[in-house]
Amino acid sequence: GEDVEQSLFLSVREGDSSVINCTYTDSSSTYLYWYKQEPGAGLQLLTYIFSNMDMKQDQRLTVLLNKKDKHLSLRIADTQTGDSAIYFCAERKSNYQLIWGAGTKLIIKP
Amino acid sequence: DTGVSQDPRHKITKRGQNVTFRCDPISEHNHLYWYRQTLGQGPEFLTYFQNEAQLEKSRLLSDRFSAERPKGSFSTLEIQRTEQGDSAMYLCASSLGTSGDGYEQYFGPGTRLTVT
Repeated sequence: GEDVEQSLFLSVREGDSSVINCTYTDSSSTYLYWYKQEPGAGLQLLTYIFSNMDMKQDQRLTVLLNKKDKHLSLRIADTQTGDSAIYFCAERKSNYQLIWGAGTKLIIKP
Repeated sequence: DTGVSQDPRHKITKRGQNVTFRCDPISEHNHLYWYRQTLGQGPEFLTYFQNEAQLEKSRLLSDRFSAERPKGSFSTLEIQRTEQGDSAMYLCASSLGTSGDGYEQYFGPGTRLTVT
């Protein structure tokens, strides 16, 4: 099938690290993405990783890619209240089509 | 450029009416996409334009849906004879279509359609 799967919720304490996981389906996908969606705002690209990489770091964000298991993760270090949002994983199937997960809602506890 | 814009932001219509949404992409982007997103789900691909050519339509897109991009700039999405199941957020995105930025798609704020 074409399902990209994510857990629906993740709850973490402010200051801790958040790890959001995703499994995708197509081993030939060239790019994998993490998007953030805040209430009332559009989808915002956080970061992406090319399929020949296994890790990418960008400030507080670390993306890990395990191609063998088709597993992608996003780690947010020192999670802040402003990180509260829904995080979507997506895989690029072709020149035009992204296949999306259902999103993980990140809840920050004080 | 202020990004991708969509109009209207909200639309309430009665079942059976026609509605049209507009998307203005980032000016130098020649790739344009329409998605639909329902509550608790990720976006679902609807259709894709490269310049004025509509290169792909999803199987999800019934005959009641039509999209145009007449001059390769703005795009419209029309839904005829709306049904309650059409209630959703309709998202437009645009991109340069180059690998240098990971083929990043920039999204507009969406048009929320409610069919009563």
